[in-house]
Amino acid sequence: AQSVTQLGSHVSVSEGALVLLRCNYSSSVPPYLFWYVQYPNQGLQLLLKYTSAATLVKGINGFEAEFKKSETSFHLTKPSAHMSDAAEYFCAVSGVLTGGGNKLTFGTGTQLKVEL
Amino acid sequence: SAVISQKPSRDICQRGTSLTIQCQVDSQVTMMFWYRQQPGQSLTLIATANQGSEATYESGFVIDKFPISRPNLTFSTLTVSNMSPEDSSIYLCSVAQGRGYTFGSGTRLTVV
Repeated sequence: AQSVTQLGSHVSVSEGALVLLRCNYSSSVPPYLFWYVQYPNQGLQLLLKYTSAATLVKGINGFEAEFKKSETSFHLTKPSAHMSDAAEYFCAVSGVLTGGGNKLTFGTGTQLKVEL
Repeated sequence: SAVISQKPSRDICQRGTSLTIQCQVDSQVTMMFWYRQQPGQSLTLIATANQGSEATYESGFVIDKFPISRPNLTFSTLTVSNMSPEDSSIYLCSVAQGRGYTFGSGTRLTVV
C-alpha cells in the first residue's frame, strides 16, 4: 500500500521568494511520485513525476522536486514564486506501473498563496 | 500523453435524480480511473474500470450508487445515482499510460 503526507495545508510566500511544499511518502514497493497543480475551477495538471530515473526531477513552470529515499521525501521547490503560482498542489504516489495500471493515491493538498 | 474529453463540465441536478458522466480518450487504454473531489478536499479514488470486466470499487463506494460502464478501450461512464446534496463534488476520470497519469478536466456537480 502507498500513501503520501503533505505537511502544511496552507503555505504563504512573497513574490520572488522560495517555494517549498513538503511531501513524504510511504510505499511497500518502489514508488512512482507525482506533483499535480490545480488552479481554481480547473482540472489537474501534471507538474512533474519521479519514475526511478534521476532523483532530481525538473518540471514545468520552473518547479523541481528531489526524491530522497533515506528521508522518504519528495518535496517540491521553485526558486522564485510568481503570482501565477497561486493554486492547490497535490503530491501523489503509485506503485510501479505495469501494463499501465496502478492506482494513484493523493495527499491532502497544499494551498499556495503568493503575496506581493 | 493521452487527451481526455470529459462531459458535462458542470451540472446542477435535483436530489433523487441520476447523472451520467462521460469520459472519452483519444487512444486505447487498459485501465481508467474515476475520482471524486469533495469541496475543499483531495481526490479520492472511486473505482478502477477495466474494459470487459466489472469495475473494482474502493472502500466506501458501491456499484449501486456509482455504476460504471467500460464498453471499449477508449470510453467509460460513471453514473451518480439517487443524488443527494452530499454528492456535490468534482468528478474526474483518469488514465494511466506509460509512466504517468492524465486527468480529464472534471465534472463539477451541484445537487440541490
